[in-house]
Amino acid sequence: EVQLVESGGGLVQPGRSLRLSCAASGFSFGDYGMHWVRQAPGKGLEWVSGISWNGGSMDYADSVKGRFIISRDNAKNSLYLQMNSLGPEDTALYYCTKGSGSGFYLYHFDYWGQGTLVTVSS
Amino acid sequence: DIQMTQSPSSLSASVGDRVTITCRASQNINRYLNWYQQKPGKAPKLLIYAASSLQSGVPSTFSGSGSGTDFTLTISSLQPEDFATYYCQQSSGSPLTFGGGTKVEIK
Repeated sequence: EVQLVESGGGLVQPGRSLRLSCAASGFSFGDYGMHWVRQAPGKGLEWVSGISWNGGSMDYADSVKGRFIISRDNAKNSLYLQMNSLGPEDTALYYCTKGSGSGFYLYHFDYWGQGTLVTVSS
Repeated sequence: DIQMTQSPSSLSASVGDRVTITCRASQNINRYLNWYQQKPGKAPKLLIYAASSLQSGVPSTFSGSGSGTDFTLTISSLQPEDFATYYCQQSSGSPLTFGGGTKVEIK
């Protein structure tokens, strides 16, 4: 059974940093692209970032480019999101999602974690 | 960026109704269009991928169609467990983008 378990969320002051983690199990983690998708309270879904199977390619939404860094450790079956210079607009539930293929375009999100909540407020 | 426009943003329907949700892309995305269902307090769930392929375990009352810029999600006979919000998403190019969502409510 595929499981994605996010952690690392919490309350953080504007301008500070936070690192999210996603522990994956139940599939061959190193074979698939992975993504972060977020959802602000009461709002729709927003893709944040994606990384290819081997970490060789990454991409970001314009809203986080230059502030967030996605990475993965295939030996640990883990995905990460380093979030810097956080602002109130980053307040959201952050979902870890599995891509259906090795890259991050042309594929769909076939499994989702339950999310970790990030609240940016003073 | 490829903009995804869903309509309607909400609808009211009864159990047993046929429901259609549309999604329009701002440029040609071929068949790289996926549909997700989200219930309150839950993570989204993949329903349809590549415009018309049914994800394993999803009831056959759900179907998808379209290509290019215009796509449709159809629920042939609405069930009580289908009341949820539905999102389309394009995977044709960067950035990956979602539609604004369609909330299906009980009439």
